[in-house]
Amino acid sequence: KNQVEQSPQSLIILEGKNCTLQCNYTVSPFSNLRWYKQDTGRGPVSLTIMTFSENTKSNGRYTATLDADTKQSSLHITASQLSDSASYICVVSFDRGSTLGRLYFGRGTQLTVWP
Amino acid sequence: GAGVSQTPSNKVTEKGKYVELRCDPISGHTALYWYRQSLGQGPEFLIYFQGTGAADDSGLPNDRFFAVRPEGSVSTLKIQRTERGDSAVYLCASSLEGQQRGSSYNEQFFGPGTRLTVL
Repeated sequence: KNQVEQSPQSLIILEGKNCTLQCNYTVSPFSNLRWYKQDTGRGPVSLTIMTFSENTKSNGRYTATLDADTKQSSLHITASQLSDSASYICVVSFDRGSTLGRLYFGRGTQLTVWP
Repeated sequence: GAGVSQTPSNKVTEKGKYVELRCDPISGHTALYWYRQSLGQGPEFLIYFQGTGAADDSGLPNDRFFAVRPEGSVSTLKIQRTERGDSAVYLCASSLEGQQRGSSYNEQFFGPGTRLTVL
């Protein structure tokens, strides 16, 4: 069972509109949560990183929120642009023992922005 | 180089063959990660190196998969007796340090991936 669930699976919006993507994770203890943007045929690029003590983090038109109590995060994109068309992946890093080396990825939300 | 590079960008092979995929991390990054991404899925962890040693190889699906990083820089992912189910994009990422308890962030920088197709 995937420990990081994202919704919606895909989303189409018009240029200039806002949208919000959701992420739920199920396993703790949790170290940090990241949102990545992945363009087709490219590797993921980090947008935001938050620890469990942070509630919100912004990066330009991208704002991520985190509720560690409910294990939910959202990524809000304002004033969307055509270049925002990509897959947005929620990634959770879990604390395991003294070191940890793996990230758990959601399946991503495929966002398409139309002119 | 400025970022993580991977070669080849595309690899087509026949079932049963042996393949090697190469990753050049960002200079100075001690941690290196391999992921596999199937179509429509998020990346799936395979193995993590801290320096020359594999700190966590629990994501390798079976003993046909093996990875090395002999000098703590370039890494090679090796797949023996390839199967059609191995077809995927293999992503490599590097970070300045491995993740440790108590650290806030440890951003991983991804390469463009190698698309492996097993016929």
